[in-house]
Amino acid sequence: AQKVTQAQTEISVVEKEDVTLDCVYETRDTTYYLFWYKQPPSGELVFLIRRNSFDEQNEISGRYSWNFQKSTSSFNFTITASQVVDSAVYFCALSEANTGNQFYFGTGTSLTVIP
Amino acid sequence: AAGVIQSPRHLIKEKRETATLKCYPIPRHDTVYWYQQGPGQDPQFLISFYEKMQSDKGSIPDRFSAQQFSDYHSELNMSSLELGDSALYFCASSLGLSGRNTEAFFGQGTRLTVV
Repeated sequence: AQKVTQAQTEISVVEKEDVTLDCVYETRDTTYYLFWYKQPPSGELVFLIRRNSFDEQNEISGRYSWNFQKSTSSFNFTITASQVVDSAVYFCALSEANTGNQFYFGTGTSLTVIP
Repeated sequence: AAGVIQSPRHLIKEKRETATLKCYPIPRHDTVYWYQQGPGQDPQFLISFYEKMQSDKGSIPDRFSAQQFSDYHSELNMSSLELGDSALYFCASSLGLSGRNTEAFFGQGTRLTVV
């Protein structure tokens, strides 16, 4: 079963619009870590954020913000005032403390920002 | 700052040939992970090493083997290549096991094409 679900396969927005990428995870561990990675067309995985299960405080970094809600097992990612350079595939990932060796990735959301 | 180095960046092999992918972790990192990302797919965990010992094993085919050397670099050996092995192969490294108060940094990947 997929531990991380990104229901949005593809999203297109017009430049300067806000966009939210959804991520729902599933784990029985009480200690776990959530990540967002960006994969631009060049292919590399770019780390965006890491969150541990004990820290539900939302975070803002420039135009990026993350909303972590344990009650709904969600870790959503919002880009404000999107730009063409934001076009990429975004992956949400889970790492569990008891099996901390690997990431469980979601299937990714392909974001296209139209100029 | 030094990042995870993967070589080669691109590799073309014929069916039934062998391939060796190399990964040089960030200095002082003792843990290496290998992931396989097929076209349009999310990265899938293959195998990981901690302090030169295999620490976890994912969906790695029997035709593949890997090891971590005394200098902490790692090699993924792939034999009897099949068309379905065509993918982007990522290496990641961390100090300690990923998720446990540390994070993994990904290399730029090796794109393997089997023809």
